[in-house]
Amino acid sequence: GESVGLHLPTLSVQEGDNSIINCAYSNSASDYFIWYKQESGKGPQFIIDIRSNMDKRQGQRVTVLLNKTVKHLSLQIAATQPGDSAVYFCAESGNTGKLIFGQGTTLQVKP
Amino acid sequence: DAGVIQSPRHEVTEMGQEVTLRCKPISGHNSLFWYRQTMMRGLELLIYFNNNVPIDDSGMPEDRFSAKMPNASFSTLKIQPSEPRDSAVYFCASSARGTGGELFFGEGSRLTVL
Repeated sequence: GESVGLHLPTLSVQEGDNSIINCAYSNSASDYFIWYKQESGKGPQFIIDIRSNMDKRQGQRVTVLLNKTVKHLSLQIAATQPGDSAVYFCAESGNTGKLIFGQGTTLQVKP
Repeated sequence: DAGVIQSPRHEVTEMGQEVTLRCKPISGHNSLFWYRQTMMRGLELLIYFNNNVPIDDSGMPEDRFSAKMPNASFSTLKIQPSEPRDSAVYFCASSARGTGGELFFGEGSRLTVL
């Protein structure tokens, strides 16, 4: 998983632009991946998931890409809106069955 | 539909006191998870239950922490005695498909131990 740190990486984008949030995972046995969004003062909220037998999955305005070769996951948000401002977490689940969360990335949307 | 319900939303207590956090999972979900969130360590899995049975408690920090799930609709996380380093937001989540599926999180219980 991602290293623990005091400061979350921050991505700042202009409203209307596309956002790409990246995540690296360490367990090559992980076979299920989820992206969560967490707004201030709230619990994480499911966005989209993908299993290891896929490399791309699309939802409404969101796309998740999985590159198992380099153990990389990304979340693409099209036409980013102010309501997309939040902390985004990737999470992985593997042979242990546990869902392990990454460090998180703060997305700031500028009007 | 009601989501995962946690109480209390905020708790301020003094070091040494007992703290009990409560969770009501989504009806029909058979897996329940307790997570702790801090700036330093992010979201950490403390323990999870399948069908009311604790499956993995390796994330529970110390013997001061205990969790129970007496029935399918209720779980508690207890800290006794509490310490300032226990200050965090504690989340409960439930799932219909165990660890391989989407987790639905509650709003969290923010604990401050003075």
